[in-house]
Amino acid sequence: GAVVSQHPSRVICKSGTSVKIECRSLDFQATTMFWYRQFPKQSLMLMATSNEGSKATYEQGVEKDKFLINHASLTLSTLTVTSAHPEDSSFYICSARDRGGLAGGWNEQFFGPGTRLTVL
Amino acid sequence: DAKTTQPNSMESNEEEPVHLPCNHSTISGTDYIHWYRQLPSQGPEYVIHGLTSNVNNRMASLAIAEDRKSSTLILHRATLRDAAVYYCILIGVQGAQKLVFGQGTRLTINP
Repeated sequence: GAVVSQHPSRVICKSGTSVKIECRSLDFQATTMFWYRQFPKQSLMLMATSNEGSKATYEQGVEKDKFLINHASLTLSTLTVTSAHPEDSSFYICSARDRGGLAGGWNEQFFGPGTRLTVL
Repeated sequence: DAKTTQPNSMESNEEEPVHLPCNHSTISGTDYIHWYRQLPSQGPEYVIHGLTSNVNNRMASLAIAEDRKSSTLILHRATLRDAAVYYCILIGVQGAQKLVFGQGTRLTINP
């Protein structure tokens, strides 16, 4: 299957700093990428939908000014956690939706390996 | 998106078949049934999906009830590497096709 990468895989930062996480589709184009957050022992929570060349759509309860999303190209979306606090420590996962559609109208989605953020 | 219900956990033995159930009684006619799994400390990976007919691929089989209100993911010969959380998700083909994850089923495989 197609490959989605995330960088960094792990980051530790001080409270109050900003952290940028990159999500890249390596061998396909993705007009849409999704960002998720996962706390220990919990399921993935969708944070936002990132559309190439337009503003991201945030899920209810997610602060758009705190979690800045930029989808500048068909292969790259970035999530910036601004003024990070310990409660933002989590596993952040992106997925990318293949631009080419499959039979039935479904566009397959591929997940990145995740980025573990620890805020001290 | 329609809601799915899965058991919190299941346990099986290595090299035995595993049947993971999913109830989706409010499924609409255009919802596809998708299964993803997440191994520890990794992103989810696609397993299989279907609409009405049963589906087979190299990883698993998907059996869909005739009324589509339930489905079963079948791992024919479980290995230790199949230990993961399995998610059953309904997705319509229109719109953003967002994947909304429930709690899933944590599958433990005993050697």
